[in-house]
Amino acid sequence: SYELTQPPSVSVSPGQTAYITCAGHRLGDKYASWYQQKPGQSPVLVIYQDNKRPSGIPERFSGSNSGNTATLSISGTQGMDEADYYCQAWGSRNGDYVFGTGTKVTVL
Amino acid sequence: EVQLVESGGGLVQPGGSLRLSCAASGFTVNSNYMTWVRQAPGKGLEWVSIVSSGNDTDYAESVKGRFTISRDNSKNTLYLQMNSLRAEDTAVYYCARLSGGETAMSLWGQGTLVTVSS
Repeated sequence: SYELTQPPSVSVSPGQTAYITCAGHRLGDKYASWYQQKPGQSPVLVIYQDNKRPSGIPERFSGSNSGNTATLSISGTQGMDEADYYCQAWGSRNGDYVFGTGTKVTVL
Repeated sequence: EVQLVESGGGLVQPGGSLRLSCAASGFTVNSNYMTWVRQAPGKGLEWVSIVSSGNDTDYAESVKGRFTISRDNSKNTLYLQMNSLRAEDTAVYYCARLSGGETAMSLWGQGTLVTVSS
């Protein structure tokens, strides 16, 4: 089965850029999405189709996807960005949805 | 307001059944791809099932043959019938609407907790 691997944790200083990676075999051939989940809350979509931001998501969130790695970047990181982040890949058919292992982002 | 509200979770014994509901407002479920995702306590997200706008369905291998996704257009509600439940099915179950060419889950419900235990 297809697997997506993320680092368990990422630490970043306020105002700096956080980079969260998501690795999977030929992930660049699929669409990658990213979700933010705060404790006790439902996930929120922050990036879809590799690099598109849904309405209402701040510009400091951006994404890229190439080769075997997708990356979520959070520039000018703020305390409110502390959360778990999950990548998700979609191939080309129904049921082809896989989530990454998740990354806890801490703003120190 | 566009939203999804799940219900139907609870405590059930191993081998038992439960039906989850997901009531939609602000849009129609039958014209959208809809999906169920679960999250075991303290764990990550796991995709469970999908129904397309054309009524095609698919399931994760871990639930195939035990879970059934369906919808009632008159009630604008999505369902997940769960049979032969196991301890490892214990999780918060979220329904979600797909968009972005059905590649991503753009709208999530608040989740409903299912606990499978004797």
